[in-house]
Amino acid sequence: SQQGEEDPQALSIQEGENATMNCSYKTSINNLQWYRQNSGRGLVHLILIRSNEREKHSGRLRVTLDTSKKSSSLLITASRAADTASYFCATDLNDYKLSFGAGTTVTVRA
Amino acid sequence: DAGVIQSPRHEVTEMGQEVTLRCKPISGHDYLFWYRQTMMRGLELLIYFNNNVPIDDSGMPEDRFSAKMPNASFSTLKIQPSEPRDSAVYFCASSQGSGHEQFFGPGTRLTVL
Repeated sequence: SQQGEEDPQALSIQEGENATMNCSYKTSINNLQWYRQNSGRGLVHLILIRSNEREKHSGRLRVTLDTSKKSSSLLITASRAADTASYFCATDLNDYKLSFGAGTTVTVRA
Repeated sequence: DAGVIQSPRHEVTEMGQEVTLRCKPISGHDYLFWYRQTMMRGLELLIYFNNNVPIDDSGMPEDRFSAKMPNASFSTLKIQPSEPRDSAVYFCASSQGSGHEQFFGPGTRLTVL
């Protein structure tokens, strides 16, 4: 069964707008990772946030983690057409196994 | 480095046939993972290896599935006999150490008729 659940399932935004997606999980984690998957491709790692961190930035990406609520959010600022993809959160339960959510499909309209 | 390499990229076979998927991880990575992705079940971990040794195969759906890693640069996932419900995209991923990002290959799209 999947540990993480992303919300919303799908998101459509205009180029230049921000996109926010959330991930909730059930059990304690060591770290949480976000991945992107373009259509027909493999997953690409975006960012990793450890359980003792609350916020992390990487370029136009901002990730937050609230372990008390067992939730994380991914914010993509100033979206571009190239950001059109599916985004997955993955929880690392024991430092070697990842459990992936069902993903959020993001469409950025030109 | 070329990244994780998988072959073939596409495989179409008939029910009952044996299918072998291949993976070359990134050099120096000591963890290798096999995943399956379907619309219905999402991305599922099938099995993973550490230093060529299978550590957890609890995700392997049934005995028709087997995986090997004879050396640090090669792994196979075999399905024998294949069934239509095995149709999916199979990904191989590797990582350096535990608790680190995983690097995914492009996947093998398997269609079993």
